[in-house]
Amino acid sequence: KNEVEQSPQNLTAQEGEFITINCSYSVGISALHWLQQHPGGGIVSLFMLSSGKKKHGRLIATINIQEKHSSLHITASHPRDSAVYICAAHSGSARQLTFGSGTQLTVLP
Amino acid sequence: DAGVTQSPTHLIKTRGQQVTLRCSPKSGHDTVSWYQQALGQGPQFIFQYYEEEERQRGNFPDRFSGHQFPNYSSELNVNALLLGDSALYLCASSPRSGNTIYFGEGSWLTVV
Repeated sequence: KNEVEQSPQNLTAQEGEFITINCSYSVGISALHWLQQHPGGGIVSLFMLSSGKKKHGRLIATINIQEKHSSLHITASHPRDSAVYICAAHSGSARQLTFGSGTQLTVLP
Repeated sequence: DAGVTQSPTHLIKTRGQQVTLRCSPKSGHDTVSWYQQALGQGPQFIFQYYEEEERQRGNFPDRFSGHQFPNYSSELNVNALLLGDSALYLCASSPRSGNTIYFGEGSWLTVV
């Protein structure tokens, strides 16, 4: 069993839809990252969370430390949101990231 | 600020050859981590360097080695390349304290 599990693996939505991607982890963490990866390969950090909720534009990330669960929400989705979204757990002692396998999001116009 | 830069961006090698990938961390960051990402999968941790020493290592064979220079830049070396080493190799930099992390664009390695 992977230490970081994401769902769904693939997600297709129509433009304007509300999207949720889920992440569960089994390790103790100091922070959880939500990352975006476009086909070219580069990864961009969207959020770093250790508690509560963060919002940036149409993106919202929440984390429940007790339940070891985090969600990434995209409101009013747009085709340019199409990418792979990855959650990664940052364990305080190891200072390394453990990644989920990613969610391929495709938003259709 | 150039962020994290990696080179080369793409390369093709033959089985058995050796490859060196390079990474310059974001200004102010002294810790460099390397990850391997196979197609369709999440990145896997290879190792992490700070103070010019390997501090942590993932589940990768000794064919994978690295180095960190006094200016914090880093190299990843892979010897005796296998077809299965074909992947995107990502470098990430971070400061000693805190959990901020920045990624480079990656180096696409194809082994034929």
